Parts: sequence; C-alpha cells; structure tokens
Amino acid sequence: GENVEQHPSTLSVQEGDSAVIKCTYSDSASNYFPWYKQELGKRPQLIIDIRSNVGEKKDQRIAVTLNKTAKHFSLHITETQPEDSAVYFCAALNNDYKLSFGAGTTVTVRA
Amino acid sequence: DSGVTQTPKHLITATGQRVTLRCSPRSGDLSVYWYQQSLDQGLQFLIQYYNGEERAKGNILERFSAQQFPDLHSELNLSSLELGDSALYFCASSVEMGTEAFFGQGTRLTVV
Repeated sequence: GENVEQHPSTLSVQEGDSAVIKCTYSDSASNYFPWYKQELGKRPQLIIDIRSNVGEKKDQRIAVTLNKTAKHFSLHITETQPEDSAVYFCAALNNDYKLSFGAGTTVTVRA
Repeated sequence: DSGVTQTPKHLITATGQRVTLRCSPRSGDLSVYWYQQSLDQGLQFLIQYYNGEERAKGNILERFSAQQFPDLHSELNLSSLELGDSALYFCASSVEMGTEAFFGQGTRLTVV
C-alpha cells in the first residue's frame, strides 16, 4: 500500500521567511496530492492540491511542486505570517483510492 | 463549515463498551473517508466508501467496522473499546474519489 513520509516533523521560521515541507510517496501510481492545514483543535482544511500531470501549482503565498520520477512533492510557503502557524499534512491518493497522509509538520512562525 | 457533519462531538465511554460514530457527508458527495487521529499524531486512514460500497481499507482493527447507507451517511462502529482507542475520529467526504476531501469537525472519543 501507499506510504507517505513527511519531513521535517517540526519547523520554526521567522516571520517573513519561507517554509518548505517535503513528502515522499511509495506508490508510483499515485495521482493526486493534496496538502491540508490543521489549526489547533480544528479540522484539517485543504490549502492546495496537485495532480500527477502537473509539475507545479501556485496560489498566492503557497506553492506545491511534484517530481513524479523521484516520487516526492513539496509545499512552499513564502512571506510567512503568524497565522501560518499550524500542522500541515501532505497526502497521496493511489489507484486503490486510498488517501494516505504523512505524519504532519508543526510549523511555528516567530514574530 | 465544511458541510460534513459528525455526531457526537464528544463521547466518553468505558473500556469494553461499543460506540457508533455518525457522519453525514456534504450534499452530493458520494465518497466518505474515516480517519483516526491520536494525540499529537497524524491522520491514520481507516476505511473509505463510495456510493455505499467499501472501496479502500487501511489499518482498521477487526474490532472496528463501518458502513455507508443508501442515503450516503456513514457510521463507524467501535467495539470492545480499549484505552488506546481514545482519539479524534474524522470523517471526510468528496464528490468523487480523487477529488478534494472535506473534513468534518471530528468526534473526540475518550475511553476510561
């Protein structure tokens, strides 16, 4: 089955700096890669997603890149703000429709 | 509000008991996912249904079972509960498999 690894587990950045979270997946047939943000005590919410036929996608300060050959994808947050502090999860959907999540990255933006 | 409704929000029960968690997906969504999130842990995939049929299974314990009904709501049944089953259980729904999944607010289960 699909195995998604996510690094780092924690990330502390200065406000205004960039944050990068990386994920790798094992099933080469995986074709959909969403990223979720979970604030303390709240539900995970989709912030951006990318499909296997696209290499990069950007939405304002957030961008995701996908390298199908290497089976890894990354989340980039630029100009970080205090409200970006949260736990971020990557996920991969394989051909068996199983949406597997990484272990999460706790991002802290220091003012 | 994501449109996915989970009940109850909180549940406290004793070891050995059985509970049922309920999920109503967003209107029009055919796919339902169940996840377990233990304290400070990630989202562990349990099971997925699509239009009433089981489509994918994760590391779901034999003590756990689920189903999706004709009206598309889903129930997760947890039996012979153990202390380690204490967790936040999330349901998520999507229109189709492989599209954006929207999460409910979760059911926090505490086994004492």
